[in-house]
Amino acid sequence: QSALTQPASVSGSPGQSITISCTGTSSDVGSYNLVSWYQHHPGKAPKLMIYEGSKRPSGVSSRFSGSKSANTASLKISGLQAEDEADYYCCSYAGSSTWVFGGGTKLTVL
Amino acid sequence: QVQLQESGPGLVKPSGTLSLTCAVSGGSISSSSWWIWVRQPPGKGLEWIGEIYHSGSTNYNPSLNSRVTMSVDKSMNQFSLKLSTVSAADTAVYYCARRSAAGTIDFWGQGTLVTVSS
Repeated sequence: QSALTQPASVSGSPGQSITISCTGTSSDVGSYNLVSWYQHHPGKAPKLMIYEGSKRPSGVSSRFSGSKSANTASLKISGLQAEDEADYYCCSYAGSSTWVFGGGTKLTVL
Repeated sequence: QVQLQESGPGLVKPSGTLSLTCAVSGGSISSSSWWIWVRQPPGKGLEWIGEIYHSGSTNYNPSLNSRVTMSVDKSMNQFSLKLSTVSAADTAVYYCARRSAAGTIDFWGQGTLVTVSS
């Protein structure tokens, strides 16, 4: 079971859009529609942003959207705001009752 | 609103056993949810350690399987983690959380730092 692959960092200016990828394999991301995304501000508890690949929990801004193609899931943030600056993690079901996280992506709002 | 709070020693000696407890409030540990442990070593990403259901069923990360034991105490509405034979590589912030059947981890504790050092 290997961690899902995410870019170490991405950046964008306020108002711009960015996309964070999360690449797995046919044994995890590619086989199940169970990818979730978490926003993590250092020192705080992670926050669920997207689940089942593209669904937004109540209270999460519509600026956040998720998608999946083959073995890669993606998180798109539109209209970047300063408060979006955080670490973002994807998580996928990996079969055999196990789950795997991505390595995390640090988003910097310039 | 479910709340979770981790507790346990912040310092563990190498080769010892790390023991943490997660107290659940605002909801029953006997609900249709899995109760999980996640850790984050300094400067690194999140790692799923494993999970337990109120029935006592468990699932563990294969890479930690031989060292991990989880248990649940329904009378106290809490669950616990034991990680044996620890080394410096187990130094991390440990989070307890709740996972739904759909895989959403919707409630998290604040996390507790455990340092493995002599």
